[in-house]
Amino acid sequence: DTGVSQDPRHKITKRGQNVTFRCDPISEHNRLYWYRQTLGQGPEFLTYFQNEAQLEKSRLLSDRFSAERPKGSFSTLEIQRTEQGDSAMYLCASSLGEAMSGQETQYFGPGTRLLVL
Amino acid sequence: GNSVTQMEGPVTLSEEAFLTINCTYTATGYPSLFWYVQYPGEGLQLLLKATKADDKGSNKGFEATYRKETTSFHLEKGSVQVSDSAVYFCALSDPPGSNYQLIWGAGTKLIIKP
Repeated sequence: DTGVSQDPRHKITKRGQNVTFRCDPISEHNRLYWYRQTLGQGPEFLTYFQNEAQLEKSRLLSDRFSAERPKGSFSTLEIQRTEQGDSAMYLCASSLGEAMSGQETQYFGPGTRLLVL
Repeated sequence: GNSVTQMEGPVTLSEEAFLTINCTYTATGYPSLFWYVQYPGEGLQLLLKATKADDKGSNKGFEATYRKETTSFHLEKGSVQVSDSAVYFCALSDPPGSNYQLIWGAGTKLIIKP
């Protein structure tokens, strides 16, 4: 168990550029989540995958955001035409979920800190 | 909708003091409740959890009891150490049958002075 990893750890970009983040979950975990965290706040849910299927997207996830988990393993989160308001920590978590449980522990990666200039 | 409210920080205590961080929640169903901790420069780690009413979660000397009647899940520790300095987050899981997202409080920064 190597834990959840995220790449890159830090990203600085100019407004209007596209950025892509990668998350590698714990290998046997079927559920994967993306959250966003701003300074002084708790994480906010963005989207959720069960295996390769994206089952839920928050209304926070505008059309500029897209996430994929093509083979049910790693996931990518892309932000197109970045805005200064996108500056935040982007967190990935994974869990081994049993059907209809909701009790499993989500394991978090270290996050990708995005700064949009 | 579901929500979590926790006490504002920072909370500053001396080493060996008793700690309580209050957490209350609003939920329509029967969520699971979690405390996560974020040490400086590190990612979120699960500290403890409870999945049904009257359950007590415990880990590393920390405890919290799932109180349905008061919709609370307060975090306690009898004697804190400098190494406990971190930000503590209370969270709940959306009820079963939904997307299992965690709903979070704003976090409470804990500072322990030697």
